Amino acid sequence: DADVTQTPRNRITKTGKRIMLECSQTKGHDRMYWYRQDPGLGLQLIYYSFDVKDINKGEISDGYSVSRQAQAKFSLSLESAIPNQTALYFCATSDSSGGPGDTQYFGPGTRLTVL
Amino acid sequence: AQSVTQPDIHITVSEGASLELRCNYSYGATPYLFWYVQSPGQGLQLLLKYFSGDTLVQGIKGFEAEFKRSQSSFNLRKPSVHWSDAAEYFCAVLRGYGNKLVFGAGTILRVKS
Repeated sequence: DADVTQTPRNRITKTGKRIMLECSQTKGHDRMYWYRQDPGLGLQLIYYSFDVKDINKGEISDGYSVSRQAQAKFSLSLESAIPNQTALYFCATSDSSGGPGDTQYFGPGTRLTVL
Repeated sequence: AQSVTQPDIHITVSEGASLELRCNYSYGATPYLFWYVQSPGQGLQLLLKYFSGDTLVQGIKGFEAEFKRSQSSFNLRKPSVHWSDAAEYFCAVLRGYGNKLVFGAGTILRVKS
């Protein structure tokens, strides 16, 4: 079984709808991240969480919110989806015990299309 | 601010040929540098990383990268490319507190037989 799972893998929705993307991990890591990937732009950080009580905004948090329900679960919500949020979304985890530079492990991604 | 530049959007090489993917970074202190690979429909997989020490870093799948401080570069190399290496490759630098990665725009590698 994969260490980092994302659901759904694909989603098509309409402008104005609320969408939740879910991420679960079995690696026992404290830190979790949400990124979006757009062609030609690489990955950009949306939100990150060091533990259940610690949530931080990334570079492009506007229009998004997150919830860290448990150490293993980190959800990303689009409160009112708009077409320019069409992208590939990745969840990642890392272990805080090794200091800076810990490897981030990525999920398979969720492809979201907003019509 | 930290940034990463991958000058080549697409690269095509013949199977069995050598490969070099370029990465330049902008960072004031000693950087933590990474190369990830993304195969079609897959998530990102870590190929290798550099923190300190030996400037030539070995990774998985026969890849290596060399850190050159004087050139602010961390180029990825492979002596003989296989068709299964066709993918998108991302260079990244760690930014400040919190393990935040800054990614380059990626280089798409095509392998021709």
